[in-house]
Amino acid sequence: QKEVEQNSGPLSVPEGAIASLNCTYSDRVSQSFFWYRQYSGKSPELIMSIYSNGDKEDGRFTAQLNKASQYVSLLIRDSQPSDSATYLCAVMGSYGNNRLAFGKGNQVVVIP
Amino acid sequence: GAGVSQTPSNKVTEKGKYVELRCDPISGHTALYWYRQSLGQGPEFLIYFQGTGAADDSGLPNDRFFAVRPEGSVSTLKIQRTERGDSAVYLCASSFAMDTGELFFGEGSRLTVL
Repeated sequence: QKEVEQNSGPLSVPEGAIASLNCTYSDRVSQSFFWYRQYSGKSPELIMSIYSNGDKEDGRFTAQLNKASQYVSLLIRDSQPSDSATYLCAVMGSYGNNRLAFGKGNQVVVIP
Repeated sequence: GAGVSQTPSNKVTEKGKYVELRCDPISGHTALYWYRQSLGQGPEFLIYFQGTGAADDSGLPNDRFFAVRPEGSVSTLKIQRTERGDSAVYLCASSFAMDTGELFFGEGSRLTVL
């Protein structure tokens, strides 16, 4: 079982719609969760972090965490063409394990 | 600049050669990470440093790979006897502390082994 799984294929959404991305992780005691955005040919950049169960909103982005079910999600509201990118879920392990593990990413294409 | 700097940006080498990739982190960042990324995949963890010491090198694929950070700033990833399967983008990232996942990435070094 991979540490971080992102299984859905490319996601196409019309401009203005909501894009929803999901991620599951295997280490039950993981403490910190992140979403990175990676434009084609560029490096990942952090867009959201979440540490507690529930929702965290930042502008058009909302991260959701459910530790009991071991999943993290990202919602992008009012999607814009500039949101077209690959979104990487990343998980940091339990206390003392500071390795940040990434999923394979989900590509989002926003259609004008 | 103020960001993470990686050199070279591109490296083409022949199978069996030795390669060094350099990373200059953001000033003041004590944690430094190396990842590699193949097309269509997420970054694969290799090693991270806290200061001069390797805190976790469990991601290094084999003993051909080695990394150092002698003065707690610049780091070099060294690959001996390169193989075609080593071809990837090697990403370096730094963070102000080891226990945060808020990493700042460089633009990467694209390694091609012919």
